[in-house]
Amino acid sequence: GDSVTQMEGPVTLSEEAFLTINCTYTATGYPSLFWYVQYPGEGLQLLLKATKADDKGSNKGFEATYRKETTSFHLEKGSVQVSDSAVYFCALISLRGTGNQFYFGTGTSLTVIP
Amino acid sequence: DSGVTQTPKHLITATGQRVTLRCSPRSGDLSVYWYQQSLDQGLQFLIQYYNGEERAKGNILERFSAQQFPDLHSELNLSSLELGDSALYFCASSTHGYSSSYNSPLHFGNGTRLTVT
Repeated sequence: GDSVTQMEGPVTLSEEAFLTINCTYTATGYPSLFWYVQYPGEGLQLLLKATKADDKGSNKGFEATYRKETTSFHLEKGSVQVSDSAVYFCALISLRGTGNQFYFGTGTSLTVIP
Repeated sequence: DSGVTQTPKHLITATGQRVTLRCSPRSGDLSVYWYQQSLDQGLQFLIQYYNGEERAKGNILERFSAQQFPDLHSELNLSSLELGDSALYFCASSTHGYSSSYNSPLHFGNGTRLTVT
């Protein structure tokens, strides 16, 4: 079945460091891919998305490119800030029965220290 | 603010009891999804409704049930509660429900934290 595999955390970085969080997927067809972020005590928020191969999603300095050949959607940011500390989830949307199902990775906790 | 409202924010109850969690989707969204988030299981998809009809089912226990009403709000009913049901329950909504919305993202509420004692 469809699935998302995300790098294990937690990740701790110093401010202004480069961030990469790896995400690979397994899916039939051509799913859309997403990154969500969850701040403490809150629900998940959409960070960025890509709907087809070679698309690059970007938002708030974060980027991810939909790589069909490697079935990957790695999240990157050139210079992290303390405010980026959160849990990051990779996800894909897939058809299931007569509805949609979003498959989420297990989440990667990021802590940025000053 | 995602526009998705969940009530209550916190719920503490005893084993064997029954509770109802409520969700109001974002204005204009027809599809509602329920997820359970626990430390050991991550984010687990429970069920999806679209315009009042069940559309997809995930790892939802038989003790759990849900429905979506004509005004599009949804309720998740959890019965015969066990300690292991303690978790964060999220509702999310999206504009569409099926293939036409293949790239329609989910918008999450802030969740209901359920503690079963």
